[in-house]
Amino acid sequence: DGGITQSPKYLFRKEGQNVTLSCEQNLNHDAMYWYRQDPGQGLRLIYYSQIVNDFQKGDIAEGYSVSREKKESFPLTVTSAQKNPTAFYLCASSTPGAAGELFFGEGSRLTVL
Amino acid sequence: QKEVEQDPGPLSVPEGAIVSLNCTYSNSAFQYFMWYRQYSRKGPELLMYTYSSGNKEDGRFTAQVDKSSKYISLFIRDSQPSDSATYLCAMSASGGSNYKLTFGKGTLLTVNP
Repeated sequence: DGGITQSPKYLFRKEGQNVTLSCEQNLNHDAMYWYRQDPGQGLRLIYYSQIVNDFQKGDIAEGYSVSREKKESFPLTVTSAQKNPTAFYLCASSTPGAAGELFFGEGSRLTVL
Repeated sequence: QKEVEQDPGPLSVPEGAIVSLNCTYSNSAFQYFMWYRQYSRKGPELLMYTYSSGNKEDGRFTAQVDKSSKYISLFIRDSQPSDSATYLCAMSASGGSNYKLTFGKGTLLTVNP
């Protein structure tokens, strides 16, 4: 089945540690996105990539980093510079021309202890 | 004023009720309007998509856009307990730029058997 796989589903991290969230898609989509979702807030865009080896900052990129070495993969690293990293992280992908149609993974919940 | 406003609820209705979910927006350039459904601890999934003004119907769901009032609605007829979820509106000015989607905060809906 085609879809987006995020791992891990739950992750605990100590303050000061970097952590990498995995996102893999087999939909053959060019574009991929990382969103952050906090209670009472809408989805906020962290980074996006429209093509392999290229990515752009979203609205809240500070304290995060990404790479896009393969079309299928778009990992997100939450660095120790991110001041409030506890959140639900969502990866999504889309195909050009499909306006507004994002396919989301099931999310990764990161908790900083 | 935020670009997109959505009442977070929670909204609780009995099974079989007609549900009305709404968003208002301030950016008159928005032309693409989406509704996503998000079950607890899952990623959102696209439910309805509308371009410009008018109505769109899909089974028990009807999406309505009133650009003159900058107001969009999602109606659910004969609501079922399986409709219990958070409903997110999203909108964009450009069809080819999914990274420019603006999401509402979501409305939590519970349908009671």
